[in-house]
Amino acid sequence: GIQVEQSPPDLILQEGANSTLRCNFSDSVNNLQWFHQNPWGQLINLFYIPSGTKQNGRLSATTVATERYSLLYISSSQTTDSGVYFCAVEGNDMRFGAGTRLTVKP
Amino acid sequence: ETGVTQTPRHLVMGMTNKKSLKCEQHLGHNAMYWYKQSAKKPLELMFVYSLEERVENNSVPSRFSPECPNSSHLFLHLHTLQPEDSALYLCASSQIMTRQGAKAFFGQGTRLTVV
Repeated sequence: GIQVEQSPPDLILQEGANSTLRCNFSDSVNNLQWFHQNPWGQLINLFYIPSGTKQNGRLSATTVATERYSLLYISSSQTTDSGVYFCAVEGNDMRFGAGTRLTVKP
Repeated sequence: ETGVTQTPRHLVMGMTNKKSLKCEQHLGHNAMYWYKQSAKKPLELMFVYSLEERVENNSVPSRFSPECPNSSHLFLHLHTLQPEDSALYLCASSQIMTRQGAKAFFGQGTRLTVV
């Protein structure tokens, strides 16, 4: 199956800092999604982005399908951004990366 | 609120118990999924139902038994579980899988502890 690797595994930021999370995948995919898992375990869709760039407030994402990677940018981070960020790709099924655990300190 | 509701939110069960997890979606989707998230491991796909037919069973032990009576409901029946089965169980739904892929929506999960 498709391998999905996310980096970094852990990230600690001071409130107001910017960050970039990366997702690499091993094969062509039909789509790619970014999720935020809040501290209570709920997964929230952030972006559905099989290719190109999208922006939503302080978050933006870019997927370069031909080079098999996607980036999630978080600007002016806030403590509520803390949690785990997952990248998921869909080939024959949905595959998730191991996630990046983000901690934003006040 | 994502439109996908899981109950219960938390469950503690003994190894000899039988329990069921429930998932309900109000999004008009026709594919539903069970995922397992163990500590320090990537999310694992357990079962996929498309149009109420099981599409994939990723070598999940038989002590986990899914049921999809209609396109809005999905159950995961549990029996004689092991402590290592303790995890967060997530349900998701999407439109039927196509070449273009589908956006998935997740429930809040059931935190299962097997004692």
